[in-house]
Amino acid sequence: GQNIDQPTEMTATEGAIVQINCTYQTSGFNGLFWYQQHAGEAPTFLSYNVLDGLEEKGRFSSFLSRSKGYSYLLLKELQMKDSASYLCAVMDSNYQLIWGAGTKLIIKP
Amino acid sequence: GAVVSQHPSRVICKSGTSVKIECRSLDFQATTMFWYRQFPKQSLMLMATSNEGSKATYEQGVEKDKFLINHASLTLSTLTVTSAHPEDSSFYICSAKGAFWDTATEAFFGQGTRLTVV
Repeated sequence: GQNIDQPTEMTATEGAIVQINCTYQTSGFNGLFWYQQHAGEAPTFLSYNVLDGLEEKGRFSSFLSRSKGYSYLLLKELQMKDSASYLCAVMDSNYQLIWGAGTKLIIKP
Repeated sequence: GAVVSQHPSRVICKSGTSVKIECRSLDFQATTMFWYRQFPKQSLMLMATSNEGSKATYEQGVEKDKFLINHASLTLSTLTVTSAHPEDSSFYICSAKGAFWDTATEAFFGQGTRLTVV
């Protein structure tokens, strides 16, 4: 079966750095996505990785290792507004998104 | 990026009534639309995939007679929750895919609809 694993909840301090991990087992791979979702809102796109390595976009970076079935989202200089759920999703061989359960990130002052 | 508009954003209905949710692609032709449901503290669960002009494909465990999906045009898909019950209360989200999506890098989501059945 297809499976996406990520931690349920993480806590970090304002101004610090946090890394959210995601491991996956899917039938085929056409890229891995990270989305941010605030409570009661639709997800918003953060990043997309299809090749191994690190993609940096401002305070957010995303890393992918296809051989390990592993990705992480790195958030730097954390702000209170970064408190949200972060969803990892993999596009399988049918171009269908398989979603992780999300990681709730709590930022403390 | 492309814009997907979902309406209404919130709806409260009485048990036994039907509710229609609309999903529109505003600046591109959505050949495929996906309907998701999300319960509190859980991930998005795909309910069905609809292609323009054809019947929707429902995921296992989703009742097609209860969740009616119509995708009559390239810019509009509707989800109708028929004979709603309190357990249908959830956050419903649509996302749209254009013919170009195979190489695009993001899914375009509607704003979501919070359905509460009382």
